[in-house]
Amino acid sequence: DVKVTQSSRYLVKRTGEKVFLECVQDMDHENMFWYRQDPGLGLRLIYFSYDVKMKEKGDIPEGYSVSREKKERFSLILESASTNQTSMYLCASSFFGNTEAFFGQGTRLTVV
Amino acid sequence: GIQVEQSPPDLILQEGANSTLRCNFSDSVNNLQWFHQNPWGQLINLFYIPSGTKQNGRLSATTVATERYSLLYISSSQTTDSGVYFCAASNAGGTSYGKLTFGQGTILTVHP
Repeated sequence: DVKVTQSSRYLVKRTGEKVFLECVQDMDHENMFWYRQDPGLGLRLIYFSYDVKMKEKGDIPEGYSVSREKKERFSLILESASTNQTSMYLCASSFFGNTEAFFGQGTRLTVV
Repeated sequence: GIQVEQSPPDLILQEGANSTLRCNFSDSVNNLQWFHQNPWGQLINLFYIPSGTKQNGRLSATTVATERYSLLYISSSQTTDSGVYFCAASNAGGTSYGKLTFGQGTILTVHP
């Protein structure tokens, strides 16, 4: 079974903190993605990566950065957390190209 | 980019009833997936179905790529089927990298 694991299910951080959300997959997938989900706005792509050290902006990259130093790990970084980044964050992975994507369990981040 | 629309937005059923959820997409796709979001927020893969028909137990799905729609059928619904169902699609084309665009979801409530 494909396994995508996010480091935390729930997280509470203070405004201005630097926040790291970690995602690890065990299927040797090339593609990895970070989405956020908000009521009324649905799921939106923040960043994605199709190879180690490669990254591309998605639809809403402002306020975020990412890191992919190893193939199995994709980190989402909030440089200076703000309350409007309170959201559900979902990581996904897939093989290169347009193949089936698998999601982690999600991280509910609250910024206070 | 591709647009994905789901209908209906809400669906209320009695246990045992059948239902059909629809997903329309605006462009050619190489990836079409159906997900069920569980109460904890995780997206559970139901079908990877860029074209054709698949069945898995009480669930089945059909994608008619030439007419740009997909249908998810749930037969003999159970209370455990309740939740949000998402359709997501990725453009055909070499640079899409499997980035998924999500519909707004259908909220299904099954009453005992």
